[in-house]
Amino acid sequence: EPEVTQTPSHQVTQMGQEVILRCVPISNHLYFYWYRQILGQKVEFLVSFYNNEISEKSEIFDDQFSVERPDGSNFTLKIRSTKLEDSAMYFCASSESGQGEKLFFGSGTQLSVL
Amino acid sequence: SQQGEEDPQALSIQEGENATMNCSYKTSINNLQWYRQNSGRGLVHLILIRSNEREKHSGRLRVTLDTSKKSSSLLITASRAADTASYFCATINTGGFKTIFGAGTRLFVKA
Repeated sequence: EPEVTQTPSHQVTQMGQEVILRCVPISNHLYFYWYRQILGQKVEFLVSFYNNEISEKSEIFDDQFSVERPDGSNFTLKIRSTKLEDSAMYFCASSESGQGEKLFFGSGTQLSVL
Repeated sequence: SQQGEEDPQALSIQEGENATMNCSYKTSINNLQWYRQNSGRGLVHLILIRSNEREKHSGRLRVTLDTSKKSSSLLITASRAADTASYFCATINTGGFKTIFGAGTRLFVKA
């Protein structure tokens, strides 16, 4: 079964550094998403992306964050100048169509900001 | 906020028993979905019920949707230890692009 892959599985960084989290969505999917989950808390929506642009973003997704689809397969989340509170599990997801259809999630990247 | 909220927050049952989890939401929706998350892993889609459906089955899962009460329930019948996980309902408001997850119900099935 096709799956969403995320790399790396763990990322440790120093506060203030930039990180790039990488995702390869399922190949025929058109909608891409980033979510995060702070340990023990709910899964929070960050951003949705379609047709090479952001379709919707949450209040969490401020200027510190950016997303990019640099080629036909990768989808990246860049966090500039990381803060301690950015420590979380970051999940990438994709769907074949938008408007609330089934999301396929990757296994996540655990980001630890020290 | 239109996000779903699950109830109970945690549920502990014996293997073989049924588990029922509830979800309430606030705004008009196109559909409601249930996902499962094993500890430290990504979410896995279980079932989707559309706003014009009242009940849906998939294997040991039964989902109901009451749009007048803005609520849904997930029933897992004949539970197994392997069903131990967190279960989340998820909604997307009509015309929106973001699927919003509730806080989840942690289910523990004792063997």
